[in-house]
Amino acid sequence: DVKVTQSSRYLVKRTGEKVFLECVQDMDHENMFWYRQDPGLGLRLIYFSYDVKMKEKGDIPEGYSVSREKKERFSLILESASTNQTSMYLCASSPLAGDGTDTQYFGPGTRLTVL
Amino acid sequence: SQQGEEDPQALSIQEGENATMNCSYKTSINNLQWYRQNSGRGLVHLILIRSNEREKHSGRLRVTLDTSKKSSSLLITASRAADTASYFCATDNNDYKLSFGAGTTVTVRA
Repeated sequence: DVKVTQSSRYLVKRTGEKVFLECVQDMDHENMFWYRQDPGLGLRLIYFSYDVKMKEKGDIPEGYSVSREKKERFSLILESASTNQTSMYLCASSPLAGDGTDTQYFGPGTRLTVL
Repeated sequence: SQQGEEDPQALSIQEGENATMNCSYKTSINNLQWYRQNSGRGLVHLILIRSNEREKHSGRLRVTLDTSKKSSSLLITASRAADTASYFCATDNNDYKLSFGAGTTVTVRA
């Protein structure tokens, strides 16, 4: 079974802190994604990576950065946390199917609260 | 950007009944996927239907796709309490990314 793990289920941080969310997948997937999920808005893509050291902005990258130094690990960084970044953060990975059938496998999520 | 839009936003049914939810999208797609999310957890892939398919079945799930209307439906037959979850459609434009809708929350009453 594909396993995607996230470093924390719940996290509470203060405004202005630097926050690291870690995601690890164990299936050698090429693609990794970070989403945030807010009520009524569904999942919005923050950043994704299709290879080590490669990253591309998603729909809402402002206030975030990412790092992918190893294939299995994709980190989301909030440089200076703000209250409007309080949200559920979901990491996902997918293999490079090559035929458009890129099913994504999700981690359990990190519920981040910024005070 | 968000492409899929699910309807209804919420659905409450009795155990044993069928649940139907719809997804509409705006631009042409390569395939469409449905995911389930149990409360406070990550999403789990349920089924994928390609743009050249019209209907697909998996256990108690039936998915249809009408590319002329840019819409899809997910039917869960003989629902169970364990089907209580949020259901999301996601469209694939063949660029590694998926665009998710806001989801339909299904509650199955015992």
